[in-house]
Amino acid sequence: AQSVTQLGSHVSVSEGALVLLRCNYSSSVPPYLFWYVQYPNQGLQLLLKYTTGATLVKGINGFEAEFKKSETSFHLTKPSAHMSDAAEYFCAVTGGGAQKLVFGQGTRLTINP
Amino acid sequence: EAGVAQSPRYKIIEKRQSVAFWCNPISGHATLYWYQQILGQGPKLLIQFQNNGVVDDSQLPKDRFSAERLKGVDSTLKIQPAKLEDSAVYLCASRQSRDRAGEQFFGPGTRLTVL
Repeated sequence: AQSVTQLGSHVSVSEGALVLLRCNYSSSVPPYLFWYVQYPNQGLQLLLKYTTGATLVKGINGFEAEFKKSETSFHLTKPSAHMSDAAEYFCAVTGGGAQKLVFGQGTRLTINP
Repeated sequence: EAGVAQSPRYKIIEKRQSVAFWCNPISGHATLYWYQQILGQGPKLLIQFQNNGVVDDSQLPKDRFSAERLKGVDSTLKIQPAKLEDSAVYLCASRQSRDRAGEQFFGPGTRLTVL
């Protein structure tokens, strides 16, 4: 079985500051890892994903994440926050023969002007 | 390309009433998912279809929830009778292939409030 833990249900940063959203996973098989973003009253949109190969993956809107197997982590970062980044962010995992995504509880990102 | 469509966007009902949600996936997407997202939590899978067959419904409360995907295109999720704890956003998603690395595309969701 897979599970995801997102550290911090709410993160607040200043505009232009580094964004760091933490995600740790548990999986008994090699995982596929995803970050999704959800804007108010909208569905989820894929930011980036890790499947195999390069452990540093780049996504849309300047976000990137690094898969660290030894730490079972997949933290999301962005060098410089923008007001439009304010949203809810979800980390998710799938593994083995399963096709379903198992989501973390989400982190709400607030950007201060 | 049109995205995943869902209706209605909002629904308010009394407990013990019934309700139905509709989803139209992206054209050509064989895999369809229904998720329940309770406020403050991540989405939880209720049911997964591959064409018109059920792949996974292990977390669907079958005593009150039902879903179908006739003809392998549109899908309907029904709750009968509704309970207070069913208040949530119901998300529909679709994916083109069975490849677990493939992106799931989400609709805007239906926000259900049970009073």
